[in-house]
Amino acid sequence: GAVVSQHPSRVICKSGTSVKIECRSLDFQATTMFWYRQFPKQSLMLMATSNEGSKATYEQGVEKDKFLINHASLTLSTLTVTSAHPEDSSFYICSAPDREVSYGYTFGSGTRLTVV
Amino acid sequence: GQNIDQPTEMTATEGAIVQINCTYQTSGFNGLFWYQQHAGEAPTFLSYNVLDGLEEKGRFSSFLSRSKGYSYLLLKELQMKDSASYLCAAMDSNYQLIWGAGTKLIIKP
Repeated sequence: GAVVSQHPSRVICKSGTSVKIECRSLDFQATTMFWYRQFPKQSLMLMATSNEGSKATYEQGVEKDKFLINHASLTLSTLTVTSAHPEDSSFYICSAPDREVSYGYTFGSGTRLTVV
Repeated sequence: GQNIDQPTEMTATEGAIVQINCTYQTSGFNGLFWYQQHAGEAPTFLSYNVLDGLEEKGRFSSFLSRSKGYSYLLLKELQMKDSASYLCAAMDSNYQLIWGAGTKLIIKP
């Protein structure tokens, strides 16, 4: 099936630094990538939708300048958490439409971000 | 507003059957998904229902009633590895997924 590779799986960074998370579609072209954040014991929260070659669409309450999303090619989308703070510590997951599942989505393996 | 409700936690015994319920309210409807998520991992697809009725896939089955805004996931012959969170998600008219908070399923020997 469709595979989305997400890196890094875990990252610990100091407060004030930036962290980049990459999601690559390995055997298909992902024109759209969804970026989610999940806090412990909570639901997946959609942060933004990125489309190849155009600006990302951010959900209400998500700061565009803090969470920079780039979708420069059909196989790569990146999320950069700028000037990270401890409250940004969370599980970040990307997903792309799965052509093998009608309207379904395939997920990256997730990135556990801890800001100290 | 759009809303998904599912129980927070359920406990069942190895070898038994468990049914996880989900009710939804969305602006338009384009299907209901169930995903399994083990702790610290990304969700994996289990099932998709868009028509009323029961879809069976091995030990897992999923049911949908569009008129009632209701779905359930049925797990048979429970195994210890089935211990996970089960996420219900409904797709609205804009093809956006609205996620439930997940049901943590605990399997006891």
